[in-house]
Amino acid sequence: QKEVEQDPGPLSVPEGAIVSLNCTYSNSAFQYFMWYRQYSRKGPELLMYTYSSGNKEDGRFTAQVDKSSKYISLFIRDSQPSDSATYLCAMSVPGTYKYIFGTGTRLKVLA
Amino acid sequence: GAGVSQTPSNKVTEKGKYVELRCDPISGHTALYWYRQSLGQGPEFLIYFQGTGAADDSGLPNDRFFAVRPEGSVSTLKIQRTERGDSAVYLCASWSSGTSGGYNEQFFGPGTRLTVL
Repeated sequence: QKEVEQDPGPLSVPEGAIVSLNCTYSNSAFQYFMWYRQYSRKGPELLMYTYSSGNKEDGRFTAQVDKSSKYISLFIRDSQPSDSATYLCAMSVPGTYKYIFGTGTRLKVLA
Repeated sequence: GAGVSQTPSNKVTEKGKYVELRCDPISGHTALYWYRQSLGQGPEFLIYFQGTGAADDSGLPNDRFFAVRPEGSVSTLKIQRTERGDSAVYLCASWSSGTSGGYNEQFFGPGTRLTVL
């Protein structure tokens, strides 16, 4: 079993829809939780990071962490075709400088 | 430059050959990572540099892989006797300073797409 599980998709939604992207993890020691967006043939770019359980909002994006369930989510409101990309979750390994990434979920927002 | 740059953008080589992949981090960034991203997968940690030294190379898959950062800026990932299974995108990322186990914003380069025939 992988330490971080993420549904690879693809996920297709109409423009304006609310998108929910999720990751589950097995290591309860993970401390920081990050969401990256990766466009085709580009490097990942950081969207948001969170530390504690709860919600964090930034514009159209909301990151949610539930440490008791070992489950994190990224919600995208009013999705746009420009949001079409692969979304990667990542988690920091305590006591190290390593980050464990999920496989990424491919999202397509249809105009 | 403004961001992390990687050269070449694409590299095609034959099985058994030696390759070098270069990463130019953001100026002043002391920390540098190499990751490997296979098709349909997330980035997989290879090695982490703090300054000139490899602080953690536990992700290097075997002794055919080696990385250097002699002056604490540019880094080169070297792969000897390449195999078809080495085909992937090799990503470099850097940050200015940080703490272990914590949040440190990594800035990724566009990657080098390596194809081993």
